[in-house]
Amino acid sequence: KQEVTQIPAALSVPEGENLVLNCSFTDSAIYNLQWFRQDPGKGLTSLLLIQSSQREQTSGRLNASLDKSSGRSTLYIAASQPGDSATYLCAVGSRDDKIIFGKGTRLHILP
Amino acid sequence: DAGVIQSPRHEVTEMGQEVTLRCKPISGHNSLFWYRQTMMRGLELLIYFNNNVPIDDSGMPEDRFSAKMPNASFSTLKIQPSEPRDSAVYFCASSLSLPNEQFFGPGTRLTVL
Repeated sequence: KQEVTQIPAALSVPEGENLVLNCSFTDSAIYNLQWFRQDPGKGLTSLLLIQSSQREQTSGRLNASLDKSSGRSTLYIAASQPGDSATYLCAVGSRDDKIIFGKGTRLHILP
Repeated sequence: DAGVIQSPRHEVTEMGQEVTLRCKPISGHNSLFWYRQTMMRGLELLIYFNNNVPIDDSGMPEDRFSAKMPNASFSTLKIQPSEPRDSAVYFCASSLSLPNEQFFGPGTRLTVL
């Protein structure tokens, strides 16, 4: 059974710093991996989608990497801003069409 | 496109009452997903449809929960009878095909007293 873990559960970082959020999964037979952002009381916004054949995806200040063999993905945020404060969720898609979410990392950027 | 639309945004009801949550997926998307989010359990997939057909409902917690998708532009999640432990945020998401990038609605915050 696929399990997705995100550590740490919460993170506070001064504005301007670069940071890395981690996601690990137990079954490497994944189809894709998606990073989402969730603001308090809001829905999920898709940030990046990495297919299993890819190693990374970039969008603006965000870069997501995927290492299937080690069961890990990272989300790198460059030059963090207070507006980046949110919960970031990792979701793993498997070939049986199931999507399994981690519990997220609550990120707080200190002004 | 307006994105995934859910209604109501908030629902407060009493234990034992029937609750119906509604979802309109993004036009052209052929897969629809219902999720439940709680502090304790995080985000859980309840059921998903492909081309209006339920593919996997193994996440539906009990027989009190049922979901339908009568056409490509509408789905409902019904809880009958509702219980306080059903209180959660229920999200609907859609995607162009399986498995692919999912787009989420704003959610329905359900409170069962």
